[in-house]
Amino acid sequence: SSELTQDPAVSVALGQTVRITCQGDSLRSYFASWCQQKPGQAPVLVIYGKNNRPSGIPDRFSGSSSGNTASLTITGAQAEDEADYYCNSRDSSGNRVVFGGGTKLTVL
Amino acid sequence: QVTLKESGPALVKPTQTLTLTCTFSGFSLSTSGMRVSWIRQPPGKALEWLARIDWDDDKFYSTSLWTRLTISKDTSKNQVVLTMTNMDPVDTATYYCARMGYYDSSNFFDYWGQGTLVTVSS
Repeated sequence: SSELTQDPAVSVALGQTVRITCQGDSLRSYFASWCQQKPGQAPVLVIYGKNNRPSGIPDRFSGSSSGNTASLTITGAQAEDEADYYCNSRDSSGNRVVFGGGTKLTVL
Repeated sequence: QVTLKESGPALVKPTQTLTLTCTFSGFSLSTSGMRVSWIRQPPGKALEWLARIDWDDDKFYSTSLWTRLTISKDTSKNQVVLTMTNMDPVDTATYYCARMGYYDSSNFFDYWGQGTLVTVSS
């Protein structure tokens, strides 16, 4: 399968920890990467590889993987973290890309 | 400083061919390991990967859209061009180009253009 499945919506209280998950067969072979998208803006990379953050991404963002599930964890969620989050990975061929359906994160 | 910017028509008619150009700076597509992808997002919907072109001119397409897509590059102009034939209203979307990399056996998109909204309507 070349699909990645995400929960459509997740909420978290301000300052609490939230985990956003992404499931798919390709994740047994490849790590996911994660991007954050705020309304009207282009996506921004937040996590790639095993658990790597681009420069400028706060260290409250972390990634992990187990079996066919990749997770993005935000430890101490802030109001500015409210956004849509998309996972993506290489597909089973290794050469193409598949995106998850996105998770809308609400910070209460 | 890496930047990418998409350009093309805002409105196309059904059955027409769409041509989009991604003009980038801050890197060269003649450098080993460099790749550029096109990704689209219908209004209110998820991201969808379309195509990729590599520094060595390797090209890969979405398995669901490959018959309609062609990607090419002009290294001298720092441009990547995507054409999509037989446009339909369901192709209405914001089209992004993004620089693509690989690390830890994962792919990632580290720089994105601002996106360009393409509406398909008669």
